[in-house]
Amino acid sequence: AQSVSQHNHHVILSEAASLELGCNYSYGGTVNLFWYVQYPGQHLQLLLKYFSGDPLVKGIKGFEAEFIKSKFSFNLRKPSVQWSDTAEYFCAVNGRDNLFFGTGTRLTVIP
Amino acid sequence: GAVVSQHPSWVICKSGTSVKIECRSLDFQATTMFWYRQFPKQSLMLMATSNEGSKATYEQGVEKDKFLINHASLTLSTLTVTSAHPEDSSFYICSAWTGGDEQYFGPGTRLTVT
Repeated sequence: AQSVSQHNHHVILSEAASLELGCNYSYGGTVNLFWYVQYPGQHLQLLLKYFSGDPLVKGIKGFEAEFIKSKFSFNLRKPSVQWSDTAEYFCAVNGRDNLFFGTGTRLTVIP
Repeated sequence: GAVVSQHPSWVICKSGTSVKIECRSLDFQATTMFWYRQFPKQSLMLMATSNEGSKATYEQGVEKDKFLINHASLTLSTLTVTSAHPEDSSFYICSAWTGGDEQYFGPGTRLTVT
C-alpha cells in the first residue's frame, strides 16, 4: 500500500537559516512526487513536482527537492528561509489514480 | 492559473441536520474532482473521487450514504454531509483534475457540528 512519511511535525527556524524537510514514500510502481504548501488561512498550493528526468527539482519561491530513488526520499530544501515561509508543508505521492499525502510539517520562521 | 472555489468557507450546523458543500472550478473544466477530509494536525485523507455524470468512488471506510457526492457538471461537484454529528466536524477540501499533471485545490470548508 502506498504511504508517505514526513518525520518532522514542527520545525522552528530563524530567518536566513537553511531548511530541509524529510519525505519518504512507499510505493511499488512509478511515482510522481509533489510538495504542497498551505499558508495560514489559504488553500494548498503546489511548490514543485517530480515526474522524471533530473532528480533535483526547482520550484517556486526558492524551494527545491531532490528525488533519491534508492532511499525512496523526496526531501524539500531551501537555503535561506524567510518569515513568509511560515506554513504547513505536505509531501504527496501520486499513485495509480490519486494523491497520497504525508501528515505535513509545520514550519515556523522566527523573524 | 486554475482556480477552484468552495462554498461555504465555514459552516456551523446542529447535529442531525444536513450540510451541502459546493466545489467549483472557475476557469477550467474538471473531468474529475476529489474530496478530502483533514483533521487537525493530520494529513488530507481522500474520501472519494467524483467523475462528471457518474457515481462517485468512495475510499474504504467512507460511508457513501452519509457523504453524498454529486458531480452534475464539469465545473461543479457537491458534497452533502447527511445527518451530521459532532464527529463529522472537520475541514473538507476539494480538488479538481483535468487529466494533466496536477490537482488544483479549493480553499476548504470548515464544518462544525454542534
